[in-house]
Amino acid sequence: ILNVEQSPQSLHVQEGDSTNFTCSFPSSNFYALHWYRWETAKSPEALFVMTLNGDEKKKGRISATLNTKEGYSYLYIKGSQPEDSATYLCALCGGSNYKLTFGKGTLLTVNP
Amino acid sequence: ETGVTQTPRHLVMGMTNKKSLKCEQHLGHNAMYWYKQSAKKPLELMFVYSLEERVENNSVPSRFSPECPNSSHLFLHLHTLQPEDSALYLCASSLQGGQPQHFGDGTRLSIL
Repeated sequence: ILNVEQSPQSLHVQEGDSTNFTCSFPSSNFYALHWYRWETAKSPEALFVMTLNGDEKKKGRISATLNTKEGYSYLYIKGSQPEDSATYLCALCGGSNYKLTFGKGTLLTVNP
Repeated sequence: ETGVTQTPRHLVMGMTNKKSLKCEQHLGHNAMYWYKQSAKKPLELMFVYSLEERVENNSVPSRFSPECPNSSHLFLHLHTLQPEDSALYLCASSLQGGQPQHFGDGTRLSIL
């Protein structure tokens, strides 16, 4: 059973603050690491799929890095806005190209 | 609008009922997935179909029976469910394994 850990569980920041969270995973049998954003009353939305050690991806104010050797990925949000409030999920694709093992997520609340 | 549609959005059923959940995608994707989201637990993969063939069955009890008649449609047939099966059931699709997944809005299932 793969164990994907996310920290912190929840986070409150002020509008304009920059923030980051962590996803830890076993480094063996690594295929890819996915990040999703899940807003309340909506469906999870794919942010990034990362496959290479040292990979860095960016989408607007959100970016992510990947270290497959030590088994972690960071998600950064620059200048948080209230609309960034959501649960951010990471998922490890390991052992099978189809099977994602999700973490419990980090719930981000951005206060105006 | 994610391109993945799930019906019904809400379902209340007794333990002896038989019902089905439906998922439809018109994204031209080849892989479709069923996930279960229970309270305070991570998203849990149940089944994966690729080109209408089941490629993953994540030790799901036989009271859940998936069906994939074609690459655009996925069903989850429910029979003799237990109260602990009450959860949010999410469908997703991807172009192929390892690609970002597109999720539906889910079916909120309550077992009386």
